[in-house]
Amino acid sequence: DTAVSQTPKYLVTQMGNDKSIKCEQNLGHDTMYWYKQDSKKFLKIMFSYNNKELIINETVPNRFSPKSPDKAHLNLHINSLELGDSAVYFCASSPLRGGADTGELFFGEGSRLTVL
Amino acid sequence: SQKIEQNSEALNIQEGKTATLTCNYTNYSPAYLQWYRQDPGRGPVFLLLIRENEKEKRKERLKVTFDTTLKQSLFHITASQPADSATYLCALGGSGGYQKVTFGTGTKLQVIP
Repeated sequence: DTAVSQTPKYLVTQMGNDKSIKCEQNLGHDTMYWYKQDSKKFLKIMFSYNNKELIINETVPNRFSPKSPDKAHLNLHINSLELGDSAVYFCASSPLRGGADTGELFFGEGSRLTVL
Repeated sequence: SQKIEQNSEALNIQEGKTATLTCNYTNYSPAYLQWYRQDPGRGPVFLLLIRENEKEKRKERLKVTFDTTLKQSLFHITASQPADSATYLCALGGSGGYQKVTFGTGTKLQVIP
């Protein structure tokens, strides 16, 4: 069984469209993330949720809206897509609960978004 | 501003040698540092974690050191194999919240047979 699964794996769309990427983890983790990896392979944090609560919100255009219906799911909706949104988006989960916890990130396989 | 830099875009070494990758950071006070491996078209995979009060960690052929005075971590792969070829990412956590894990720029390692 896949631990962190994202859909779709590939997404090609036109500028101005709205699209969503879904993520699910079956590891029982409390914390989930969205990362963006650009063409230079730099992995940048976008959002993090801990047990459905938004805890990290980096400087991301408000066209990007995450939603966590429960702690096993974290979806990413993007409005009015722009060329610069083309990237690979990775979902990750971690058993981190805060305090002195540390924990590895478990990543999905990525969703490659191409905006034409 | 905060920066996490890893040495050179690509590192080529001969099979059997020790690969040493560097991670330097500025304007961070991390509680822990992690190393990940990423293969083309795949998500990063966790390798090792070292905490701020630890100097060294080992796992099989991997060794990580963490010097909070120099603000540097070194990642060593001994007896390297072509299968070790991948991009290696360091990541810092605990600065700005324990859950915030920020990645470096990555180093592409190529092990030549």
